[in-house]
Amino acid sequence: DTGVSQDPRHKITKRGQNVTFRCDPISEHNRLYWYRQTLGQGPEFLTYFQNEAQLEKSRLLSDRFSAERPKGSFSTLEIQRTEQGDSAMYLCASSQGQGAYYGYTFGSGTRLTVV
Amino acid sequence: DQQVKQNSPSLSVQEGRISILNCDYTNSMFDYFLWYKKYPAEGPTFLISISSIKDKNEDGRFTVFLNKSAKHLSLHIVPSQPGDSAVYFCAASAYQANNDMRFGAGTRLTVKP
Repeated sequence: DTGVSQDPRHKITKRGQNVTFRCDPISEHNRLYWYRQTLGQGPEFLTYFQNEAQLEKSRLLSDRFSAERPKGSFSTLEIQRTEQGDSAMYLCASSQGQGAYYGYTFGSGTRLTVV
Repeated sequence: DQQVKQNSPSLSVQEGRISILNCDYTNSMFDYFLWYKKYPAEGPTFLISISSIKDKNEDGRFTVFLNKSAKHLSLHIVPSQPGDSAVYFCAASAYQANNDMRFGAGTRLTVKP
C-alpha cells in the first residue's frame, strides 16, 4: 500500500471556475477526512466519511463545496465558483476506526491557487 | 473557535539539547491527544499520542506529557537532532463524542547543528 494519494498536487484556477480534487485512501481504512490548511495555520476540519456515508460537515464547508465517497473507496471534493479565499492546501486523510490513538494517515495535499 | 492552541509559532534549539513544544486546549471533552510532524510539501505524519487516562507516554526520543487539570500537553524531544526540524502540530479528539480531530496552528522547530 502506498499510503494516501491525492490528485492533483497543484491546481491553479481562475476565480469563478469549478475544481475537483481526488483522494485515494489506504484501502483497508473505513474513514476518510478532508481538511484545509492555510499559511500559518493548522489543518481545519471540513468533512468526513465512514465508508460511503458523510457523517459530519464543518460550517466552513459552504454550499459551494461538496464531497462524495461513492462505494466507500476514493473521495472527491468539488468547489464550485471558486473564490480567492479558497486558495489553500486541501488535505485528505484516512483511518481505520476513529484514529483517536494511532492517528490519521495524511496525503501530501492538493495546493489550490485561485487567481 | 480555536479549541487547540499552540502559542509559540517557532522554537530554535541546539543539536543534542532538549526541545519542548507546548499545547493548550479548551474542550474538556477531548480525551485523546496527538502530535504530528510536517515537512515542507508533505502531509502531516503521526508522531505520538496519549489518552486522557495517562499523564505520560514515551516512544524513543519523544515523550508526551499531559496535565488534564491545566488542559496542557507538551512534547519533549531528547536529544534533538537536525532531522527533527519541521513543523509540529498538536491535535485532539473526543473519542466518546465520535468527533474528528482538531489541530493547533503548529510550532516550527529548528534544530541547529
